[in-house]
Amino acid sequence: ILNVEQSPQSLHVQEGDSTNFTCSFPSSNFYALHWYRWETAKSPEALFVMTLNGDEKKKGRISATLNTKEGYSYLYIKGSQPEDSATYLCAFNAGGTSYGKLTFGQGTILTVHP
Amino acid sequence: NAGVTQTPKFQVLKTGQSMTLQCAQDMNHNSMYWYRQDPGMGLRLIYYSASEGTTDKGEVPNGYNVSRLNKREFSLRLESAAPSQTSVYFCASSEVWTVNTEAFFGQGTRLTVV
Repeated sequence: ILNVEQSPQSLHVQEGDSTNFTCSFPSSNFYALHWYRWETAKSPEALFVMTLNGDEKKKGRISATLNTKEGYSYLYIKGSQPEDSATYLCAFNAGGTSYGKLTFGQGTILTVHP
Repeated sequence: NAGVTQTPKFQVLKTGQSMTLQCAQDMNHNSMYWYRQDPGMGLRLIYYSASEGTTDKGEVPNGYNVSRLNKREFSLRLESAAPSQTSVYFCASSEVWTVNTEAFFGQGTRLTVV
């Protein structure tokens, strides 16, 4: 079983705060690392797919970095808004015999208070 | 665009009954997945199919079987439902042979086993 860990499990912030979460994954057989945003009663939607060590991706106020050598990725949200409230999931796509297998972490639940 | 379509959206089963969850995608993706979502557990992989004609177990395969009927369709069968299988089930697809590819999810099936 591939171990994909996210921290913290939940986070409460005030509107305007900046915040970040961590995703840890195995540093061997790396193929890709995904981030998803999951709103209540909806399906997860992709934010980023990251493949290279040192990758940095940005979409509006949300950005992510990747360190494949040490097996972690950070997701940052700048100036959080109430509409950012959601569960943020990372998923690890391993190579080798697990090629194609997408394993998710347990998620970080973000609540942004007005 | 339909994307990933799951049926049914809701189902109540009695313990011991069987049912099949259907999933179809129209994006010509090679890989398809079945996940279950339980509170505090994120998305746990039940089975996946990296390409047509192959299926592999995920983290929690016990009590389930799958069929990759063709490139479009991937079904999940519960042969003898148990209350522990009460969950929300998500089907997903992705194009595993292209590195920068995200997974697309169906709307979910909320299953209750009584």
